[in-house]
Amino acid sequence: EVQILETGGGLVKPGGSLRLSCATSGFNFNDYFMNWVRQAPGKGLEWVAQIRNKNYNYATYYAESLEGRVTISRDDSKSSVYLQVSSLRAEDTAIYYCTRRTIAAPMDAWGQGASVTVSS
Amino acid sequence: DIVMTQSPSSLAVSAGETVTINCKSSQSLFGSVRQKNYLAWYQQKPGQSPKLLIYLASTRESGVPDRFIGSGSGTDFTLTISSVQAEDLANYYCQQYYDTPNTFGAGTKLELK
Repeated sequence: EVQILETGGGLVKPGGSLRLSCATSGFNFNDYFMNWVRQAPGKGLEWVAQIRNKNYNYATYYAESLEGRVTISRDDSKSSVYLQVSSLRAEDTAIYYCTRRTIAAPMDAWGQGASVTVSS
Repeated sequence: DIVMTQSPSSLAVSAGETVTINCKSSQSLFGSVRQKNYLAWYQQKPGQSPKLLIYLASTRESGVPDRFIGSGSGTDFTLTISSVQAEDLANYYCQQYYDTPNTFGAGTKLELK
């Protein structure tokens, strides 16, 4: 069974940083690109970042709205992906979902999400 | 970035009705190598994570009921739900995965009339 579990959410002060972790199991992690997608309260889905697999040289991509403040990384030995977000703002308040996809397929598995609240 | 324009933003329906949700992309999502459209539809119920319904514009994900039908090509796509059931009340999003960033439509909220 495919499992994706995000951790590391919580309450953070404006200007602070946060590192989200995503642990996976039940599939060959090395075959997949991993993504973070977020959803602000009552709003739609926003793609945040992607890291490709070894075959694609671990290339990373970021949403323009967050570029410079986010870093995505992965540890294939732990089947895990991470998202570091800095200089947090109130508008970063959201549920952050970890998802997988391949080059030719969409996001077919999602975690339950990690809630991040940015407030003083 | 490819812009995805989804309509309507909300839809009130009665059980048993057929509904149509539209999604338009700012550029073609048709890949010439595989001759496929890289368009997906997701369903998100309150308090849950999104769930993949349709990929390659018209292929149902395993386990998705056949009342969910995806169609379209190029820049214009449609999700049709025939004979809506109470369990279908949710938000629906289209997404293109032709190019990075993999942009989403703004969503359509399906409500009970």
